[in-house]
Amino acid sequence: GAGVSQSPSNKVTEKGKDVELRCDPISGHTALYWYRQSLGQGLEFLIYFQGNSAPDKSGLPSDRFSAERTGGSVSTLTIQRTQQEDSAVYLCASSPGQGVSYNEQFFGPGTRLTVL
Amino acid sequence: DQQVKQNSPSLSVQEGRISILNCDYTNSMFDYFLWYKKYPAEGPTFLISISSIKDKNEDGRFTVFLNKSAKHLSLHIVPSQPGDSAVYFCAARGRNNFNKFYFGSGTKLNVKP
Repeated sequence: GAGVSQSPSNKVTEKGKDVELRCDPISGHTALYWYRQSLGQGLEFLIYFQGNSAPDKSGLPSDRFSAERTGGSVSTLTIQRTQQEDSAVYLCASSPGQGVSYNEQFFGPGTRLTVL
Repeated sequence: DQQVKQNSPSLSVQEGRISILNCDYTNSMFDYFLWYKKYPAEGPTFLISISSIKDKNEDGRFTVFLNKSAKHLSLHIVPSQPGDSAVYFCAARGRNNFNKFYFGSGTKLNVKP
């Protein structure tokens, strides 16, 4: 079946503009994660959604970052007033949220964001 | 403040030999550890995991060892194959937050034919 998809694959924007990154998780997966990977760094946790529960936003680096998950499926990560330090690969992952593999994360290919 | 560290950015191994990738962590609350493999232009894929109640977990050519007292884990690949060439990420999760995973910066493995 289809895996996690993300769009766009690449995004170049100017400093100060807003950007939206989209994630389509695997159908039926109740958990969804956003991470970012800056150059030479590991994956940095940003936010976690599980079903209808309140999201875990503890990893969002500033109030310029927000995320939504509509209808328990598609998620959008929004970065307002982008800064050059926001340049990174943004990765989305989903997991079943139940069963033996409840926590196993399936990653999308990522969106490479470049802020000029 | 990185709680999971992979101090070797790259590793080169001859085909057929053993590859050993290392990972250190600082948080004693971590109780579940995973390894992911990442090819260029793709997202990471799950490889193998280990719970803190074990010190070894094996799956085919892949074995993960956990040394809790040293806060160290390693991934052994035997025998290494050219198709294993990828970036390997170590990740950990704490018992105080099952949803939050901490990743290392990755080790790029090159298996030479």
